[in-house]
Amino acid sequence: KQEVTQIPAALSVPEGENLVLNCSFTDSAIYNLQWFRQDPGKGLTSLLLIQSSQREQTSGRLNASLDKSSGRSTLYIAASQPGDSATYLCAVRRGNDMRFGAGTRLTVKP
Amino acid sequence: NAGVTQTPKFRVLKTGQSMTLLCAQDMNHEYMYWYRQDPGMGLRLIHYSVGEGTTAKGEVPDGYNVSRLKKQNFLLGLESAAPSQTSVYFCASSYGGGPYEQFFGPGTRLTVL
Repeated sequence: KQEVTQIPAALSVPEGENLVLNCSFTDSAIYNLQWFRQDPGKGLTSLLLIQSSQREQTSGRLNASLDKSSGRSTLYIAASQPGDSATYLCAVRRGNDMRFGAGTRLTVKP
Repeated sequence: NAGVTQTPKFRVLKTGQSMTLLCAQDMNHEYMYWYRQDPGMGLRLIHYSVGEGTTAKGEVPDGYNVSRLKKQNFLLGLESAAPSQTSVYFCASSYGGGPYEQFFGPGTRLTVL
């Protein structure tokens, strides 16, 4: 059974800092891995999707990497801003099943 | 192009009552999904559909039923609501299975008293 873990559960950083969020999964036979952002009381916003054949994806200040062999992905956020404060979820897709981590709650202080 | 929409946004039920959540997508996607999200946990798959007229069980299907009578709609039913079904429910759709990206609706917050 696929288990997805995100560490840390919460993170607080000062504005301007670069940071890394971690996601690990137990079964490397995945189709893709997706990072989402969730604001309090809101739905999920897709940030980056990495297919199993890819190593990384970039969008603006965000960079996500994927290492299937070690079962790990990282989301790098450059020059963090207060508007980046949210919960970040990773999810891995295998077949018709998508397994989510519990998320990392990020607070960026002005 | 509205994407994935969910009705209602909020609902409060008493134990034993029934209700149906509606998910609609206008992207002509074949696959649709229902998830629930509980505090401190990630989303968990309840049921999914790979096309009109088909449904299948996910990770946590007990207490729920689904129907996909039209390609654009996916209904989630609670026949006899229980407090354990208090959760936020998300619907998603994708063009296909496997590597295709899932697009999510805004969620329905359900409280069962």
